[in-house]
Amino acid sequence: QVQLVESGGGVVRPGGSLRLSCVTSGFTFSSFGMHWVRQAPGKGLQWVAFIRYDGNNKYYADSMKGRFTISRDNSKNTLYLQMNSLRAEDTALYYCAKDHTVTTSGFDSWGQGTLVTVSS
Amino acid sequence: SYELTQPPSVSVSPGQTASITCSGDKLGDKYVCWYQQKPGQSPVLVISQDTRRPSGIPERFSGSNSGNTATLTISGTQAMDEADYYCQAWDSSLVVFGGGTKLTVL
Repeated sequence: QVQLVESGGGVVRPGGSLRLSCVTSGFTFSSFGMHWVRQAPGKGLQWVAFIRYDGNNKYYADSMKGRFTISRDNSKNTLYLQMNSLRAEDTALYYCAKDHTVTTSGFDSWGQGTLVTVSS
Repeated sequence: SYELTQPPSVSVSPGQTASITCSGDKLGDKYVCWYQQKPGQSPVLVISQDTRRPSGIPERFSGSNSGNTATLTISGTQAMDEADYYCQAWDSSLVVFGGGTKLTVL
């Protein structure tokens, strides 16, 4: 079955950096677009970034552009999110998610999330 | 930036029909997806591309999208359907989520 397992979260000071990873299995990773989505404590879902199946197209939410970088290693079935210049408002549970079929078909598999806390 | 608007809460009696709306400018021109999220769990895709139910999603979940409003309908609502529901769409090269609707079954 499809599995997505995030890691790399933790406590970081404002201005610091973190690199999240999402190890996947159970599907052909290199055939699907992937996303990062976050959820602040007690709040709704907020999309962070998307990367096309081959890594050639990347899109970011406006508030993350220039600070976050999404990438993937299809040989390792792994998705990454490099987060720099972190702010308190970046505190959230970060999920990786897989495209259902085509890009507009939604996200049909989600990990359990990794918690990022930005605090001094 | 594009916005999707959902009512914060909807209440329904068991066995009745629940409707959750999602509004946005010319939303009918975009594909809308819906997610269910229960406390402490990851979201689950319940409707894809306006009307399609992914494998394993009960038939009581259905969707529609026209004009400026998309609607998630749950027929014969069960206690297990109590959850937060989020709509989602693409606008240009950005993904947008609605603010979420808490469905209470009472």
